[in-house]
Amino acid sequence: EVQVVESGGGLVQPGGSLRLSCVASGFTFNNYWMSWVRQAPGKGLEWVATIKDDGSQRAYVDSVKGRFTISRDNAKNSLYLQMNSLRAEDTAVYYCARAGLPMARDYWGQGTLVTVSS
Amino acid sequence: QSALTQPPSASGSPGQSVTISCTGTSSDVGGYNYVSWYQQHPGNAPKLIIYEVSKRPSGVPDRFSGSKSDNTASLTVSGLQAEDEADYYCSSYAGSNSLVFGGGTKLTVL
Repeated sequence: EVQVVESGGGLVQPGGSLRLSCVASGFTFNNYWMSWVRQAPGKGLEWVATIKDDGSQRAYVDSVKGRFTISRDNAKNSLYLQMNSLRAEDTAVYYCARAGLPMARDYWGQGTLVTVSS
Repeated sequence: QSALTQPPSASGSPGQSVTISCTGTSSDVGGYNYVSWYQQHPGNAPKLIIYEVSKRPSGVPDRFSGSKSDNTASLTVSGLQAEDEADYYCSSYAGSNSLVFGGGTKLTVL
């Protein structure tokens, strides 16, 4: 069974940092591109970042460029999101999602909540 | 990277059909046949129901169908059922390995 499980969310002050993790199982992790997608409370989905299967290409939404870094460790079947200089508007549930179909995210985790507040 | 435009709400009675639109630009929806649709029930993660404009993943009922014309994509739900009540989001490839989502449409089954 394909599963992705996020962790690492929590309460952080503005300007602080947080590292999210996503552990994958049930599929050959290093064959798939992976993404982070977030959802602010009561709001819609927003694509955050994507990384190629071998980690050689990365893409980010403009609002997080220079602050967030997506990475992966294929030996550990793990995806990461390092978030620095956090702002109140980064408050959201962050989902890890597999890009298993052309430009579509076919498996999602249950998400981890990040709250940026003083 | 502007969000795609969806109507905030849509509704229909059981058994009826409802169509949700998703409008973008020639840089996203109009430029690629990579429109996806997701269904999200309250408190749950999104679920992929349509990819590449009109294809259904395994296990998704054929009551769900997708299409595209120029810069506007559409999701049609036929034979509405109570369990179809959910939020629906469109998404499109926007070049350079980026994605853009719509603002979401809340579907109510009357």
